[in-house]
Amino acid sequence: QKEVEQDPGPLSVPEGAIVSLNCTYSNSAFQYFMWYRQYSRKGPELLMYTYSSGNKEDGRFTAQVDKSSKYISLFIRDSQPSDSATYLCAMQDSGGSNYKLTFGKGTLLTVNP
Amino acid sequence: EAGVTQFPSHSVIEKGQTVTLRCDPISGHDNLYWYRRVMGKEIKFLLHFVKESKQDESGMPNNRFLAERTGGTYSTLKVQPAELEDSGVYFCASSQNADRGETQYFGPGTRLLVL
Repeated sequence: QKEVEQDPGPLSVPEGAIVSLNCTYSNSAFQYFMWYRQYSRKGPELLMYTYSSGNKEDGRFTAQVDKSSKYISLFIRDSQPSDSATYLCAMQDSGGSNYKLTFGKGTLLTVNP
Repeated sequence: EAGVTQFPSHSVIEKGQTVTLRCDPISGHDNLYWYRRVMGKEIKFLLHFVKESKQDESGMPNNRFLAERTGGTYSTLKVQPAELEDSGVYFCASSQNADRGETQYFGPGTRLLVL
């Protein structure tokens, strides 16, 4: 079983739609949850970071973590064409190698004008 | 402030040849990481430097891969001899600290194709 599962998509939505991106994970030691955004031919850049369970909001983006279900989500409200990118979930555990990021495969999102 | 830079952006080599990838981290970042994404798979951790010391190379696939960070500044990742399965995108990242939740800043990657 993979440590992190993420539907690779692709996902195509019209401008203004609400987008929901999700990951599930199997490692109970994961405590830190991130969402990275990667534009074509660029490196991943950190979008949102959440510790343990709960919600975090930043503008049009909301990250949710449900540790009981081992499920994390990223919601994008009022999606824009500039949001078109690959979205990667990533996690860190609380152990000795806590700097190590464990990634999902990424979901390719296209927002159509 | 300049971000993480990587060179070359692309490399096409034949099986059995040697390739050296370079990463320049953000100035002042003691922590440097190498990750790799092979086609159809997740980005996976290769190793972690703190200054010039290798802290964790648990993700290195085999002894054909050699990473160095002389002087604690830029890092190189050498693949010798390259095999077909080494094809992929090699990312470098850096951070100021190695704490949980510390932002790792990624470079644009080097796309390696082994023929």
